Parts: sequence; C-alpha cells; structure tokens
Amino acid sequence: ILNVEQSPQSLHVQEGDSTNFTCSFPSSNFYALHWYRWETAKSPEALFVMTLNGDEKKKGRISATLNTKEGYSYLYIKGSQPEDSATYLCALSGEKLTFGTGTRLTIIP
Amino acid sequence: EADIYQTPRYLVIGTGKKITLECSQTMGHDKMYWYQQDPGMELHLIHYSYGVNSTEKGDLSSESTVSRIRTEHFPLTLESARPSHTSQYLCASSLAGLRAQETQYFGPGTRLLVL
Repeated sequence: ILNVEQSPQSLHVQEGDSTNFTCSFPSSNFYALHWYRWETAKSPEALFVMTLNGDEKKKGRISATLNTKEGYSYLYIKGSQPEDSATYLCALSGEKLTFGTGTRLTIIP
Repeated sequence: EADIYQTPRYLVIGTGKKITLECSQTMGHDKMYWYQQDPGMELHLIHYSYGVNSTEKGDLSSESTVSRIRTEHFPLTLESARPSHTSQYLCASSLAGLRAQETQYFGPGTRLLVL
C-alpha cells in the first residue's frame, strides 16, 4: 500500500516570491511519481512524471526533483504569479494511482 | 490539451433519485477511470476500465456502477442517491494501465449534492 503525504496543506505566497512544497512517501515501490496542478473549477493538469532517483524536470518557472532514496519530491515555483494559484497534487503509480491531499497555493498580488 | 468531458458539472438532487454522470473522451484512450473526492481528502479510485466491456472496482468501495459499451464513453450510475453520495466525481483516461508511467488526463469533475 502506497502512502503519500504532502506538506504544507496550504500556503500563501506574495507575488514575485519563490516557493516550494513537498511530497513524501515511505516506500519507493512505485513506477512513477506524478505532479498535477488543479485550478478551481478546472481539470487537474499534469505537470511532471518522474521515475528515476535524481530526476529533475522543468516547465517554465516550475521545476521538480525526485529523491527515491530519502522518500521525497520537491516542487519549486520561481517568481510566483497569480495564475500559479491552485492545488498541487502528488501521486504515485503502483497498482493504482495513489494521491496525496494536495498543497493549496494562493498567490497574494 | 486533454479532451475529456463530464456532464453535468453540478447536480443537486433529492434522495432516492437515479442519476447518471457522463464522461466522454475524444483521445481514443483505452483506459478510463472514475475517482471520488470528499472535501479536504485525497482522490480515491472507485472504478476503472481497460477497454470496451471491461470494468473493475477500485480501492474505495462505492455503491455506484459503471459501463463501457463504447471506447469513448464511461458513464457512472447511482440507482438510488443518498446524502452519503455527496462528493466530487472525476473521470480520467490514459493510454496505458494503472502500473505504467503514462499520464492520466482528467475531466473537470461533477459536484454532486444529494439532499
């Protein structure tokens, strides 16, 4: 059984500041780690899929790293903008896709 | 951009009514999924399908049922809605199965309120 924890649960960040949050998992017995961004009233949108220890992915101002040995993934947002406000979900794919509860990010203009 | 659609987006209905939540995708994906999310909780898989005439229950027990008669269509039905069914339901699809690295593409969800 995969267990996924995300922290913090919610976060308020001033526009222009950079931020990061964590997805942690006690076991590395999974096929891939996924990050999704979920804006209110929209569909969850896939950001990254990572499979290997040490993986780093980048998409514009957003990047993610994966450390399977120590059981965590970080998502970084550089120079936060109002459009970054969303819930960021982490999920592990094993027998099924197991989600964390998400980090709700609010950017303060 | 993902082409997966859910209707209705919002539904308020009385106890005992039969409801069907629609999900359609135009990407030709074989794999489709239904998730349920209660406020502040994780998304939980309640049903999935690997192709036409194939349906399986997920890890969260649900009184709902699903059917997969066409590749692009994966409706979810509640025969008799109850207040405990109040939740958000999300549909997703992917090219590969649950074990793979393939991304799942999600619809916008249906928010169901049973009075």
